Amino acid sequence: GAVVSQHPSRVICKSGTSVKIECRSLDFQATTMFWYRQFPKQSLMLMATSNEGSKATYEQGVEKDKFLINHASLTLSTLTVTSAHPEDSSFYICSARRNAIAKNIQYFGAGTRLSVL
Amino acid sequence: GQNIDQPTEMTATEGAIVQINCTYQTSGFNGLFWYQQHAGEAPTFLSYNVLDGLEEKGRFSSFLSRSKGYSYLLLKELQMKDSASYLCAIVYGGATNKLIFGTGTLLAVQP
Repeated sequence: GAVVSQHPSRVICKSGTSVKIECRSLDFQATTMFWYRQFPKQSLMLMATSNEGSKATYEQGVEKDKFLINHASLTLSTLTVTSAHPEDSSFYICSARRNAIAKNIQYFGAGTRLSVL
Repeated sequence: GQNIDQPTEMTATEGAIVQINCTYQTSGFNGLFWYQQHAGEAPTFLSYNVLDGLEEKGRFSSFLSRSKGYSYLLLKELQMKDSASYLCAIVYGGATNKLIFGTGTLLAVQP
């Protein structure tokens, strides 16, 4: 159990376009999901916390108008990179935390590699 | 603020034992995770420590000392497939319980 699906796995787009990334918890409910960004040979940096039915909480320095997060159900959160530019090229990873489980384990999706030309 | 330190790289031999250390400084500590990440893939959960002591799970064990701000991941009977990055992450953030990750330790297992 505890499978998180992330789609697409890879996307290449032109500068100025918007890209939507989906994160789904397949076999559990997740009130809280997280979005991370990872540059080559660096660790994961938390971008925002996605809460079902409410606004996302963004980390300091992350532009909320640039990275739109929607968490409309207990199994789906989406991240939209608006007007993407080459500097947005990165590996984006989502995670989900199971409801009603005492441990704070986050289960990760397989990641989305975004390349903006 | 939070600060997590891990060695950048380590090398070990197949069949051997390796210990990966993690030291941290934080306010509001709610636990410590170890994740394994192969290149280009998502992290996978290895262990979770919230109390002091050793947690053993098969070939992997994790230790925590909250007073010292110190943890280690012990890998026994190393296999080639254990070559990966090992990420230490601490839980903080009150009710949100966010994770902050260290930079990771890239382990290379050699024949």
